[in-house]
Amino acid sequence: QLQLQESGPGLVKPSETLSLTCSVSGGSISSTSYYWGWIRQPPGKGLEWIGSIYYSGNTYYNPSLKSRVTISVDTSKNQFSLKLSSVTAADTAVYYCATYRSSEPFDYWGQGTLVTVSS
Amino acid sequence: DIQMTQSPSSLSASVGDRVTITCRASQSISSNLNWYQQKPGKAPKVLIYSASSLQSGVPSRFSGSGSGTDFTLTISSLQPEDLATYYCQQSDSTPRTFGQGTKLEIK
Repeated sequence: QLQLQESGPGLVKPSETLSLTCSVSGGSISSTSYYWGWIRQPPGKGLEWIGSIYYSGNTYYNPSLKSRVTISVDTSKNQFSLKLSSVTAADTAVYYCATYRSSEPFDYWGQGTLVTVSS
Repeated sequence: DIQMTQSPSSLSASVGDRVTITCRASQSISSNLNWYQQKPGKAPKVLIYSASSLQSGVPSRFSGSGSGTDFTLTISSLQPEDLATYYCQQSDSTPRTFGQGTKLEIK
């Protein structure tokens, strides 16, 4: 049973870079079965897929965020990370890490972490 | 990008009612459609995958149908614990996209 846990600052200043890490337990991030992704949800709003990474390092980003997003994987720590640059108040959201297999749903999720962008 | 449109955006129903939520994709996604339930303060949970397959552990009162562009989530007999927001999501192509959600309230 995979378990995912997000970590990172809960407050980020405008124009700075948001950085979050997702720690994976109960399985290997090097698994060829899974993609590892980030999804966010602004307060009171719906879900937005940010992007995903495969263990090989191949990345897939939402075109609406692509210019500001970097997702990377650290196999030695069994973690993957999100960096979102030049943040504004519109990036305030609960950020979830989640995993899925090709053409399948996001079946394991972290608990989510609220990141607020404010000076 | 494939746009997912859910209806209604909110609904109120009584315990025991049959509830139906619809989801329409802007282009054909075959059966690559998933349904999630999200309770306040919690991460979404998969209910239905591949349009009609019930996720392990999910009560059988939940069912899904459809293919191509039109899909339906049905709750056969609404229970108090079904108070939640429901989302559809396509897993046919990148970027993965979600419907805007349907907030279900219990009368």
